[in-house]
Amino acid sequence: DAGITQSPRHKVTETGTPVTLRCHQTENHRYMYWYRQDPGHGLRLIHYSYGVKDTDKGEVSDGYSVSRSKTEDFLLTLESATSSQTSVYFCATDRGFYGYTFGSGTRLTVV
Amino acid sequence: AQKVTQAQTEISVVEKEDVTLDCVYETRDTTYYLFWYKQPPSGELVFLIRRNSFDEQNEISGRYSWNFQKSTSSFNFTITASQVVDSAVYFCALSEADIQGAQKLVFGQGTRLTINP
Repeated sequence: DAGITQSPRHKVTETGTPVTLRCHQTENHRYMYWYRQDPGHGLRLIHYSYGVKDTDKGEVSDGYSVSRSKTEDFLLTLESATSSQTSVYFCATDRGFYGYTFGSGTRLTVV
Repeated sequence: AQKVTQAQTEISVVEKEDVTLDCVYETRDTTYYLFWYKQPPSGELVFLIRRNSFDEQNEISGRYSWNFQKSTSSFNFTITASQVVDSAVYFCALSEADIQGAQKLVFGQGTRLTINP
């Protein structure tokens, strides 16, 4: 869906380095979410936002922080990347009746 | 806590067969939503359906149909006359609302469906 863009699409980083993933939406949705996808676990919620500067933790928030300074941008930061954070990260916005719109995902590898 | 179980990890069928993907959920909420998403090999997540907990009518959309049974906490998905393009990982999800109105989704582990020609 063209309304939500994630960057970068792929990233390889070293253990211990900080990493920031960006999610950008053009549809002015209030709610935004970050999920990670791992084999055998489906998708799990990391953090979410219910407005500018309003965020809350999800199921697997340890080691992650988020920020939302504008409605359209939701950033996910791995403060000090670890190998266990190797995953595919999806951003999503909530379209109500039509469910979530997901971004294309960011494949992150921590070496 | 909310939980979604998709007991079928992988299913493989021959094209044109009907196939049913099972989804069982747990929740203490009286109002909730159930979803199905498709993830084709390209990796994107595609919304298929949202069902309100108060609406137990079955839904049909072309070759797709959904059977929601509140009594057994199940929301199963059937593909009729399957096609190779139906090959994907399918996720069932359950909403968990918070006081801010956010609908956080709890996903099942997914079922990988392979349709063989």
